[in-house]
Amino acid sequence: LAKTTQPISMDSYEGQEVNITCSHNNIATNDYITWYQQFPSQGPRFIIQGYKTKVTNEVASLFIPADRKSSTLSLPRVSLSDTAVYYCLVVNTDKLIFGTGTRLQVFP
Amino acid sequence: DTGVSQDPRHKITKRGQNVTFRCDPISEHNRLYWYRQTLGQGPEFLTYFQNEAQLEKSRLLSDRFSAERPKGSFSTLEIQRTEQGDSAMYLCASSGQGLTYEQYFGPGTRLTVT
Repeated sequence: LAKTTQPISMDSYEGQEVNITCSHNNIATNDYITWYQQFPSQGPRFIIQGYKTKVTNEVASLFIPADRKSSTLSLPRVSLSDTAVYYCLVVNTDKLIFGTGTRLQVFP
Repeated sequence: DTGVSQDPRHKITKRGQNVTFRCDPISEHNRLYWYRQTLGQGPEFLTYFQNEAQLEKSRLLSDRFSAERPKGSFSTLEIQRTEQGDSAMYLCASSGQGLTYEQYFGPGTRLTVT
């Protein structure tokens, strides 16, 4: 599976848009890109999945360029409750391989 | 159904003791997964069931670890002769046969081996 690289941490303020970029240079044709969110002392929660171009749901948007070597998770107007760790995963089987994620801290 | 549940939520045990954790998946889900997570790291895959069949087992799962899902519903994870290095959060997840790689995680069981 393709290795992913994402920033260790990011800071933001309430109401701002946050973009977390993940690189996955060795992504394969049958790989999908998935993002999970994890709060302290809880299991991860699925946010969004995409293959190419743009995917949007009620929580976030996922932007994937044509070469698919990177992806960007966009969180609109973050609030304090969005403080969490965000994991970018490249998947093609049910076995999820998590990295260390990006720790997002939202300040008032 | 309110989601994946795990029991107990916390377990403290002495080194050398055996422990067993239980996971109840979302009722209509036929796939069940176990992961382990240590502080500051992402979850690590341990094993995976489809119905009652254990389809994959990580090399992380030593001979002291065993998982079962006898009737394709709940699952148990047993650790024999616990070691301090087994201290971690043990997470269970389940999924159905959908179009996404969405897994629903439980709250985890935090194991502390003293």
